[in-house]
Amino acid sequence: DTAVSQTPKYLVTQMGNDKSIKCEQNLGHDNMYWYKQDSKKFLKIMFSYNNKELIINETVPNRFSPKSPDKAHLNLHINSLELGDSAVYFCASSLMSGANEKLFFGSGTQLSVL
Amino acid sequence: AQSVAQPEDQVNVAEGNPLTVKCTYSVSGNPYLFWYVQYPNRGLQFLLKYITGDNLVKGSYGFEAEFNKSQTSFHLKKPSALVSDSALYFCAVRDPRAAGNKLTFGGGTRVLVKP
Repeated sequence: DTAVSQTPKYLVTQMGNDKSIKCEQNLGHDNMYWYKQDSKKFLKIMFSYNNKELIINETVPNRFSPKSPDKAHLNLHINSLELGDSAVYFCASSLMSGANEKLFFGSGTQLSVL
Repeated sequence: AQSVAQPEDQVNVAEGNPLTVKCTYSVSGNPYLFWYVQYPNRGLQFLLKYITGDNLVKGSYGFEAEFNKSQTSFHLKKPSALVSDSALYFCAVRDPRAAGNKLTFGGGTRVLVKP
């Protein structure tokens, strides 16, 4: 069983299009996140959710709209895609407890905007 | 604000030799510190963490790291590297007093273990 699964794995699209990435976790975690990894492998948090509520929006353009229908899902919708959006997007989840704290990552969605 | 620096883009080591990947951090207060590893075309995997207690923490695959508060460092070590340890390693820090569980990652260090 995949703990954190995200789809699709690859996404190739034209500038200006709208696309979505889906994420689901079956770990029972309260916290979910979206991270962006650029071409230099630099990893930066985009959004943090706790029990479906947005906690962190790390100055992400409002073209990016996360949605959490329940605490097991956190989807990412991107409007009007731009060339600079090309990156690998990782979904992650975690428990909020110091002793057990660690992130579980999905395998990533490689987005290429042409 | 919290930040992490990994001063080496790449570390090369011969199989069987000790491996060290450096990490320094900046955070107000006591940090939570983590190491993650990323294999090609995969998501990050947790290796180990320091929350409190013993400064030397042991993790997966024979890795360990030492928390040094005076030097604000959390270097990752392995006594004897394997070719299969070749991957991208990320150090991360979190200020437990900040809302939202924001984890800040370093820029990553690529480890290449040669046979």
